[in-house]
Amino acid sequence: QVQLVQSGAEVKKPGASVKVSCKASGYTFTGYYIHWVRQAPGQGLEWMGWINPNSGGTNYAQKFQGWVTMTRDTSISTAYMELSRLRYDDAAVYFCARSSVEAFDIWGQGTMVIVSS
Amino acid sequence: QSALTQPASVSGSPGQSITISCTGTSSDVGVYNSVSWYQQHPGKAPKLMIYDVSNRPSGVSNRFSGSKSGNTASLTISGLQAEDEADYYCSSYTSSTSYVFGTGTKVTVL
Repeated sequence: QVQLVQSGAEVKKPGASVKVSCKASGYTFTGYYIHWVRQAPGQGLEWMGWINPNSGGTNYAQKFQGWVTMTRDTSISTAYMELSRLRYDDAAVYFCARSSVEAFDIWGQGTMVIVSS
Repeated sequence: QSALTQPASVSGSPGQSITISCTGTSSDVGVYNSVSWYQQHPGKAPKLMIYDVSNRPSGVSNRFSGSKSGNTASLTISGLQAEDEADYYCSSYTSSTSYVFGTGTKVTVL
């Protein structure tokens, strides 16, 4: 079946970087954009940006420019999101999602990132 | 890009209909038909319920419907059921080639 499976929870210190993976299966990885969305505890959804798995092109939300890097490895149908210079308020669940007709139709299960000294 | 505005909570009794509003601007909801709605149960990933303002993905109940007028989109849930109790988020494509989510609405079934 069509699914996105993300890497496990991470615990990082402030100032460190975190890299989350998102492995696609059941469809042609290069045929759909992958987006990253985060959700802080008890808060709403926040769109971070997308990557075009076919070309590698990216589009980041203004807030995250210079701070987030999205990449992909087409050989293993996996997208990555790396967030640098972590702060305490970056603690959140990070989701990857596939987009189809300008909507997010398939979501990963989420990856919890904890920022703690 | 500011979040789209949704009511914090909406409630209804089983069998009733409720409507959740999603207010944006002339740079997002007002100019694009790329409005979608998501249902999220606690501890779970969001689930796509409506796309392109009023279209339902395969497998989504026809009790869910969407519409738009000007800068405001709406999600209506008819025949409310206990399983509909969840958080709901709208989303829109924007003129800055980005996406924005709504503030979220908690639906309570009384």
